[in-house]
Parts: sequence; C-alpha cells; structure tokens
Amino acid sequence: NAGVTQTPKFQVLKTGQSMTLQCAQDMNHNSMYWYRQDPGMGLRLIYYSASEGTTDKGEVPNGYNVSRLNKREFSLRLESAAPSQTSVYFCASRDRGNNQPQHFGDGTRLSIL
Amino acid sequence: KQEVTQIPAALSVPEGENLVLNCSFTDSAIYNLQWFRQDPGKGLTSLLLIQSSQREQTSGRLNASLDKSSGRSTLYIAASQPGDSATYLCAVGSGNTGKLIFGQGTTLQVKP
Repeated sequence: NAGVTQTPKFQVLKTGQSMTLQCAQDMNHNSMYWYRQDPGMGLRLIYYSASEGTTDKGEVPNGYNVSRLNKREFSLRLESAAPSQTSVYFCASRDRGNNQPQHFGDGTRLSIL
Repeated sequence: KQEVTQIPAALSVPEGENLVLNCSFTDSAIYNLQWFRQDPGKGLTSLLLIQSSQREQTSGRLNASLDKSSGRSTLYIAASQPGDSATYLCAVGSGNTGKLIFGQGTTLQVKP
C-alpha cells in the first residue's frame, strides 16, 4: 500500500543544472499537487493538476514546470536550478470531491549549490 | 488573500497534559480546514478534516473545532504522550480544486 511515492529522496545540484522530480500515486486519485517547504515559510503550492490532462499555477510557480503524465504520475521540472530553489518538495494527491483529504509523499530534499 | 497563522510556534508540555493548538485564518470563505502531523524528515499525515458546514471532528484523543465567523480552529489533544511530539500544521481549503493554504506549524514536544 505505497500511497504517494516520490523519487529521488535526496539530490544535490549545481546552479544551472536541470532536474525532474517524480511523483506517483496508486490510489486512483484525480488531483495532484506539488508544494515546497522552507523554514519559516510553511508549505507553498507550486503547481497542481485538478484532473488528468490539466495543470495550473499555484502560489510560487516561477522557475518550475510540471507534467501530468497520466492519472498516476505528476512530475516537477527545474529547467535551470537556482540556489533559491533549495527546499524540501512534497507531492500530494486527493480523491474526487471537495472535502477529501490530501495524502502526501515523504518529500524530496533538494540542495542547489 | 488568505493567510493562515498558527500560535504558538513551539510548545513543550509534560506527559499527560491536555493541550490546545491554535490556527487562525483571514478569509472565512473556506471549503474546509485540515490538520496535519509532520514527523522530522517525513511527509504530512492527515489527522482531521472539518468541512465548512461542520463545527468539530474527533478522532481518538484528537478533537478539532472550527469557527468560521471568527476565523479560528483549534486542535485539542487529550492526555498527551511522548509519541505525540511532532509538528502540527493546519491548512485551509479555499476552492473546489483542493488547493491548501498552510500555516507555519506548531512544534510540540511532550516530555516523559
């Protein structure tokens, strides 16, 4: 019963490098979300996908792109990493319906040097 | 713009105490409010979700209340245990897309 799986768990990049963070859920959920968590800032929404085939910007989308590959998978791409993108990234999913809880993965800890 | 605040940022209590964590939000037009638990180095675990039409939800030793008109929610933990030590986050759902606005969390330490 995996739930939401994120890969990799840790990554170190150099400024300017690109990288894709992977997220997959096995709960047949419609909606998926990418957040970043920074000290003193809480969790902030980067992008979300309300349903397969759709993606929308969240609160802090600059410097990121996303792809909803299919219903299970939602990836987050950094095209040219910057030190300000050093953070812990969380993926979450939610079943159909306005009052369904979000389920989170264990996060990817990303450092940009 | 919705803003969510949690006070205090940190709390330390002896084992067995009953305690209350506070969450406030600026816009009362919400769909729901969720309380999460986060252990160090881990993701978030959903504890309770209160719909906008509800006043409270209970799960075991946890009870969450919601007062939309005053923009407040509380998480009550009864008979606290060392295993309750974690960061507790509240998040407000403000639309049918499920987007959440998070508070910064309260880090709880329960001492044996």
